[in-house]
Parts: sequence; structure tokens; C-alpha cells
Amino acid sequence: GAVVSQHPSWVICKSGTSVKIECRSLDFQATTMFWYRQFPKQSLMLMATSNEGSKATYEQGVEKDKFLINHASLTLSTLTVTSAHPEDSSFYICSARPRNQPQHFGDGTRLSIL
Amino acid sequence: RKEVEQDPGPFNVPEGATVAFNCTYSNSASQSFFWYRQDCRKEPKLLMSVYSSGNEDGRFTAQLNRASQYISLLIRDSKLSDSATYLCVVSLQVNNAGNMLTFGGGTRLMVKP
Repeated sequence: GAVVSQHPSWVICKSGTSVKIECRSLDFQATTMFWYRQFPKQSLMLMATSNEGSKATYEQGVEKDKFLINHASLTLSTLTVTSAHPEDSSFYICSARPRNQPQHFGDGTRLSIL
Repeated sequence: RKEVEQDPGPFNVPEGATVAFNCTYSNSASQSFFWYRQDCRKEPKLLMSVYSSGNEDGRFTAQLNRASQYISLLIRDSKLSDSATYLCVVSLQVNNAGNMLTFGGGTRLMVKP
């Protein structure tokens, strides 16, 4: 069964809207979660590392004020794409690692900005 | 230079064929290595871990050469259902709770009847 749950799976909204994506670890605590983005025909690129109780660590070129990450509990990290524009349309995936297991990915969120 | 490099393909092979994918990585501090499979518009799913001693899982064989920083995946007796993108993934431990994964660009495989 799924160990990492991501919601929503698909979002279509107007330009300028802010969109929140949730990533939950099921049956395990995740002090660290990772957020990736995948554009069509490209591989996953790490956006940021989400740390419970502290600020996220962003990869070079990712705007922290644009992509707000909140990891308020040991089982939930949220990514908010603020004032989304068409160029933010992408596939966003989170991941977390249960103890002694490989990384598990959420189902992903397909974001389409019109 | 990309941290993890793969031939993007596509590899078009007939059913039953044997196909091999290669991958190179640049960070010698990388600790763990994996092959993931990604179907179109889906999240990646772990196919197998890769060890220096080589490991086999059914029709799939993975190999790691740390000295050359080279990873391979061999698929024997290809099935139509093997059609997917295969991602070479390298892991570096960030802290006690997490590993940072770096993905290759993926190699697309298409198995045809």
C-alpha cells in the first residue's frame, strides 16, 4: 500500500492563483521530505528539502518566496505555489523515506495554470 | 555536465530481446544507487537497488562499478509491459532521516510485439 500520500492529484486553475499541495507520510514519521518537479520529457529535479520544525532548504534557482514549504508536523509537508503562472505548470512530486526503506514517492500533482 | 547521465533513447526492441541501459554519475561521494521505473504521467517506482557485487531480480540485472562511477541495468526477455522510462538514481544521505536523490534524465524503452 501507499506509504506517501499526495493531494490533490490534478489541479487546473487561473493564472495568479495560489495552489497548495499536501504530502503526507502514512504510518511513519518523516522529519525530512523532498519536493521534486518534472517538466514534460524531462527528469525529476529536486526543488527543496523540507525539514520538520525548521526552514526548508531550496535548490539553486528555486525561489523560496514563490514556492512556500511548510513542514509543521512529522507527517505533513505542504508546498504552496504562490501566484502561479503558466510556466509553473508541471508535475510536482514529494518523497519521504521510512526507516530502513528506500525513498517512497507520492502519486504526484499535475498542475496546469491557464 | 549533469550529475547523473543516461542515454535518453528511445530504445525500440522486439518482445523477447535483451536490452541494456547505462548510467554514469559524477559525485564520487554518492552512497546508494537505484533504478526506478516511471510510466507516463505517473510517479517513479523503485525497480531495484544496485550493489557493487551486482544483483539480479528475475529478468533484471543491475551492476555498479564505483571506480568508473558507472551503473547498468540489463533486461532479459523483454515484455510489452516493460515499456517505460527507466531512471538511474543516485543517493546521498542528507541527515539521519533523509536521502537526497539525484535523477538521471531517464532512458525510454519501447518493447514492440
